[in-house]
Amino acid sequence: QKEVEQNSGPLSVPEGAIASLNCTYSDRGSQSFFWYRQYSGKSPELIMFIYSNGDKEDGRFTAQLNKASQYVSLLIRDSQPSDSATYLCAVNILSSGSARQLTFGSGTQLTVLP
Amino acid sequence: EPEVTQTPSHQVTQMGQEVILRCVPISNHLYFYWYRQILGQKVEFLVSFYNNEISEKSEIFDDQFSVERPDGSNFTLKIRSTKLEDSAMYFCASSPQSDTIYFGEGSWLTVV
Repeated sequence: QKEVEQNSGPLSVPEGAIASLNCTYSDRGSQSFFWYRQYSGKSPELIMFIYSNGDKEDGRFTAQLNKASQYVSLLIRDSQPSDSATYLCAVNILSSGSARQLTFGSGTQLTVLP
Repeated sequence: EPEVTQTPSHQVTQMGQEVILRCVPISNHLYFYWYRQILGQKVEFLVSFYNNEISEKSEIFDDQFSVERPDGSNFTLKIRSTKLEDSAMYFCASSPQSDTIYFGEGSWLTVV
């Protein structure tokens, strides 16, 4: 069973703080890792993707990947109330042929307090 | 910025009725998908479509589901005989040659 696990939260941080979101995955064959943001009743919005071990930065967001530990995280610096949402970790297991599919975690609900 | 568009945004249907959900993927994307999210649950993969055929499907995607790309732009999901448990948000998505997947706004299906 290919699983993606996240702490459901809620995670509360004060405005301006760093929010740290964590995700573990079970399948060592996983190739690509994604973070999506989902506001209530809305669709997942792609924030970042990472393929290689280490850190990847994009503005206030940093994704971190450790394939040996099967762990991926998302850091949000200078958190804003507008960052309050559910953050979904998704893992892409490259299947045979040209097919791909994402396996999602249950999401971590983040609240940034003004 | 190009986006995946879906219609309808919300549909209420009687149990046993057929439903068709429509999607226009981002032009020049090659891969198309349907995912669903039951209220309060995880986003789940249903099916992927490439080169005019199904590439992969999940256990959820049983014989009551079908997908079609009837022309060069639309991508549809048909549910032949809806059940109460089919009530969910259905997301269409597409991706280019890379595996970054972009989601539409979703079609909320309520089966009564």
